[in-house]
Amino acid sequence: GQQVMQIPQYQHVQEGEDFTTYCNSSTTLSNIQWYKQRPGGHPVFLIQLVKSGEVKKQKRLTFQFGEAKKNSSLHITATQTTDVGTYFCAGPVGTYKYIFGTGTRLKVLA
Amino acid sequence: NAGVTQTPKFQVLKTGQSMTLQCAQDMNHNSMYWYRQDPGMGLRLIYYSASEGTTDKGEVPNGYNVSRLNKREFSLRLESAAPSQTSVYFCASTGTGKGETQYFGPGTRLLVL
Repeated sequence: GQQVMQIPQYQHVQEGEDFTTYCNSSTTLSNIQWYKQRPGGHPVFLIQLVKSGEVKKQKRLTFQFGEAKKNSSLHITATQTTDVGTYFCAGPVGTYKYIFGTGTRLKVLA
Repeated sequence: NAGVTQTPKFQVLKTGQSMTLQCAQDMNHNSMYWYRQDPGMGLRLIYYSASEGTTDKGEVPNGYNVSRLNKREFSLRLESAAPSQTSVYFCASTGTGKGETQYFGPGTRLLVL
């Protein structure tokens, strides 16, 4: 069946360092979404990418959708302690279902 | 607007007991979802309801049943709880379900002894 993998599973960085998580799907996705889940919280939508090769920025966060629409990345510049949490990518499967990536847990050391 | 609400927040069950997790949304969304989240495994879809009156299985439906009571409410029932069902359960909703943003509830933390 379809799979969406994320690497790395865990990442510890010093505050101020950059961070990148990668999302890889076994099949082509019509779009990809990114969510952030704070410790003890619930996933919160960050952004959606639709076009092949699309790049979107939100302040220190840069999101990219691959040319083949099978992979995506999230890059955080100069991490802050508020960036702590788990980042998930997700893509639609069929008309109504979604498949989530395995997530990357980010810890930022002050 | 409260968004997506879930009850209860925490629950401890003994093996074999039954319970229903409640979910409601006030965003007039058509599609609703139940996920479970286990450490290192991300979010896995249990059941979803594309619209009022319809429900379909997701990736891990065994041991669960659902009811789309009306457009607002989507409940998840465990008929005979097992330790393997210890998890965090999230309800989510989207407008049409077709590749749109999902809005998640705060979750229910379930421990089955």
